[in-house]
Amino acid sequence: DAKTTQPPSMDCAEGRAANLPCNHSTISGNEYVYWYRQIHSQGPQYIIHGLKNNETNEMASLIITEDRKSSTLILPHATLRDTAVYYCIVRADQTGANNLFFGTGTRLTVIP
Amino acid sequence: DAGVIQSPRHEVTEMGQEVTLRCKPISGHDYLFWYRQTMMRGLELLIYFNNNVPIDDSGMPEDRFSAKMPNASFSNLKIQPSEPRDSAVYFCASSSPETGVYEQYFGPGTRLTVT
Repeated sequence: DAKTTQPPSMDCAEGRAANLPCNHSTISGNEYVYWYRQIHSQGPQYIIHGLKNNETNEMASLIITEDRKSSTLILPHATLRDTAVYYCIVRADQTGANNLFFGTGTRLTVIP
Repeated sequence: DAGVIQSPRHEVTEMGQEVTLRCKPISGHDYLFWYRQTMMRGLELLIYFNNNVPIDDSGMPEDRFSAKMPNASFSNLKIQPSEPRDSAVYFCASSSPETGVYEQYFGPGTRLTVT
């Protein structure tokens, strides 16, 4: 599975867009990009995933570069409740080894 | 749906005692995962089930740990005997055949403290 690289921490002003980058330069053609977050003292929460097209849901947007070597998770209007650790995970959608490797993620702090 | 339910939310026990953690997955989900989170090691997968059958238990630390899933609505993780190094937050997660195995929904966790 492809390795991911994320900045350890980021700040974002409340109400502004939070753009969280992830590098996955060794990603394979059948590997998806998944994003999760973990708010303090809670379980991880699934946010969004994509293969090569940009994706949007009620929580966020996922922009994947054309070469698929990097992606950006966008929270369009960050609130204080978005303060969390955000994890970018690359996995092939297949049966077999089905664990998620969370790594260290990016700690996003939304500032009032 | 109520989401993944875990009990107890907090458990404090003495070294050597048996500990049982419980999980009720989301109805209709066919995968169930047990994770452990510590500051030192982060989030680690312990074991996962598919259709109530254990598929991969390679993450279970040692024989003191065991997990069962007697039916689609319930799983438990037992530690016997417990040790202080087992202190961690234990999460249960489930996923649906419709959305895929990596779209996992986590419970609130059980914070275990072994003194």
